[in-house]
Amino acid sequence: NAGVTQTPKFQVLKTGQSMTLQCAQDMNHEYMSWYRQDPGMGLRLIHYSVGAGITDQGEVPNGYNVSRSTTEDFPLRLLSAAPSQTSVYFCASRSGTGIGTDTQYFGPGTRLTVL
Amino acid sequence: SQQGEEDPQALSIQEGENATMNCSYKTSINNLQWYRQNSGRGLVHLILIRSNEREKHSGRLRVTLDTSKKSSSLLITASRAADTASYFCATDAETSGSRLTFGEGTQLTVNP
Repeated sequence: NAGVTQTPKFQVLKTGQSMTLQCAQDMNHEYMSWYRQDPGMGLRLIHYSVGAGITDQGEVPNGYNVSRSTTEDFPLRLLSAAPSQTSVYFCASRSGTGIGTDTQYFGPGTRLTVL
Repeated sequence: SQQGEEDPQALSIQEGENATMNCSYKTSINNLQWYRQNSGRGLVHLILIRSNEREKHSGRLRVTLDTSKKSSSLLITASRAADTASYFCATDAETSGSRLTFGEGTQLTVNP
């Protein structure tokens, strides 16, 4: 299994541009999520999905859209990039939504700079 | 707001010494998890402890959980230079819908 993959690894955008960060997992996990990590800080949840066709907002959803048309893919769209969105973005998946036992698997991250 | 808060923010020790990191949280949890992040990389799951467990071991890792104090500790015994990384606690709160909330992490440096 490749686990959780993310593309691209690095991206530079100009303010106002839009782009999509790709995330895919091959573990048949139901639950996927997007986090951002700013320097010296922990991860903050942007959006998450508990299954195909179902998405919900996390802690910092503004400026981002997601969709979940398949179990495998969970793309994150930046609608109009702003310098405040400069960050490292991590996608993660876990096997279910039950209480207690699910380990979260992380992708390698996408380092985004908005000029 | 962050559910988990790690302490200390940074820790520097010599190889062979033990490293202890603490995590405090605010609301009732289903479980608490510890993750490790090497510089510039994604997070790797280390260990999960459920709310009805008090202590758990995995190799050189020992995790304790005190739900009455809403705190957890991660002990790494006989540390190695390769243990140098950031360590994060993450809580799966009862009211979170199985979403994990991460603390800001402890940066551990193990000097050879």
